[in-house]
Amino acid sequence: QKEVEQDPGPLSVPEGAIVSLNCTYSNSAFQYFMWYRQYSRKGPELLMYTYSSGNKEDGRFTAQVDKSSKYISLFIRDSQPSDSATYLCATGMDSSYKLIFGSGTRLLVRP
Amino acid sequence: DAGVTQSPTHLIKTRGQQVTLRCSPKSGHDTVSWYQQALGQGPQFIFQYYEEEERQRGNFPDRFSGHQFPNYSSELNVNALLLGDSALYLCASSLDGAYNSPLHFGNGTRLTVT
Repeated sequence: QKEVEQDPGPLSVPEGAIVSLNCTYSNSAFQYFMWYRQYSRKGPELLMYTYSSGNKEDGRFTAQVDKSSKYISLFIRDSQPSDSATYLCATGMDSSYKLIFGSGTRLLVRP
Repeated sequence: DAGVTQSPTHLIKTRGQQVTLRCSPKSGHDTVSWYQQALGQGPQFIFQYYEEEERQRGNFPDRFSGHQFPNYSSELNVNALLLGDSALYLCASSLDGAYNSPLHFGNGTRLTVT
């Protein structure tokens, strides 16, 4: 079983839709959670960073962490074609410098 | 403000050869981590360098080695290349090297082993 599971997609939505991207993880010791966006032929770009449980909002993006169910989510409001990319969730703990990534969900926003 | 830069962008090597990849961290960052990303997969942690020492290593064989220089730049070396080493190699930098420091990635070096 992978430590972080993520549906690979692809997820195809019309422009303006609300997008929900999700990951589950297995280790309750994970304490901080990140979402990265990766465009084709580029490196991952940090979108959201959350420590422990709760919500965090930044513009059109909202990250949620539910540690009781080991479930992390990223919501994108008013999605744009420029949001088309692969979204990677990542997690880590306060005893390791290693980030553990999901395999990524490919998102396509249709004009 | 320069972000993380990696060179070369692409590389083709033959099985059994050796390769060196280079990384300059984001301005102000002092910690460098290396990740391997196979096609369709998330990045996998290779190791992290801080204060010119390897501080933590992932589940990669000794064929993978690295170095960090006094100016915080870093190299990743891979010996005795295998076909399975073909991947995107990502360098990430962070500040202070704390456990929860957000990582900033470069655009990677695409290595193809034939």
